Amino acid sequence: DADVTQTPRNRITKTGKRIMLECSQTKGHDRMYWYRQDPGLGLRLIYYSFDVKDINKGEISDGYSVSRQAQAKFSLSLESAIPNQTALYFCATSRQGGVHRTDTQYFGPGTRLTVL
Amino acid sequence: AQKITQTQPGMFVQEKEAVTLDCTYDTSDPSYGLFWYKQPSSGEMIFLIYQGSYDQQNATEGRYSLNFQKARKSANLVISASQLGDSAMYFCAMSPTGTASKLTFGTGTRLQVTL
Repeated sequence: DADVTQTPRNRITKTGKRIMLECSQTKGHDRMYWYRQDPGLGLRLIYYSFDVKDINKGEISDGYSVSRQAQAKFSLSLESAIPNQTALYFCATSRQGGVHRTDTQYFGPGTRLTVL
Repeated sequence: AQKITQTQPGMFVQEKEAVTLDCTYDTSDPSYGLFWYKQPSSGEMIFLIYQGSYDQQNATEGRYSLNFQKARKSANLVISASQLGDSAMYFCAMSPTGTASKLTFGTGTRLQVTL
């Protein structure tokens, strides 16, 4: 079984709809992240969480919100989806700590979201 | 602020040959980590290799090695004995030290391995 799972894997929605992307992990990591990937732009950080009570905005948080329901679950919501939020969304996890090999981020398989 | 620059949008290499993917970075952090990820056409992000800024030796992981030149702020990925399965997008990323481990990514290099 995959260590980091994302649901749904693909989603098509309409402008103005609320949508939630879910992420679960079995790695036992404290830290979780949400990124989006657009063609030619690499990955950009949306939100990150160091534990259940700690939520932080990333580089591009406008239009998004998150919820850390448990250590293992981190959800990303688009309150009112717009077409330029069409992208590939990744959840990632990492251990607590400084910059070491063990702090590597491990990614889920991604959710391809299309907003019409 | 951190910045990662990957200047090669696309690269070709023949099977069994070695290839170097370039990555330069800019940061004011005294300590940081550098990472390379592979993204095949299926879309997942696969961790390849890590280099710490204070590591004395260049990192190696099987056929992957990282040519780390701290003074030049470069962290090039070297893939030896390329295989057809190496065809993918490759992303360089970095993270500052301390409690924050947010990754900043480059725009990626698409590698195509040919027969």
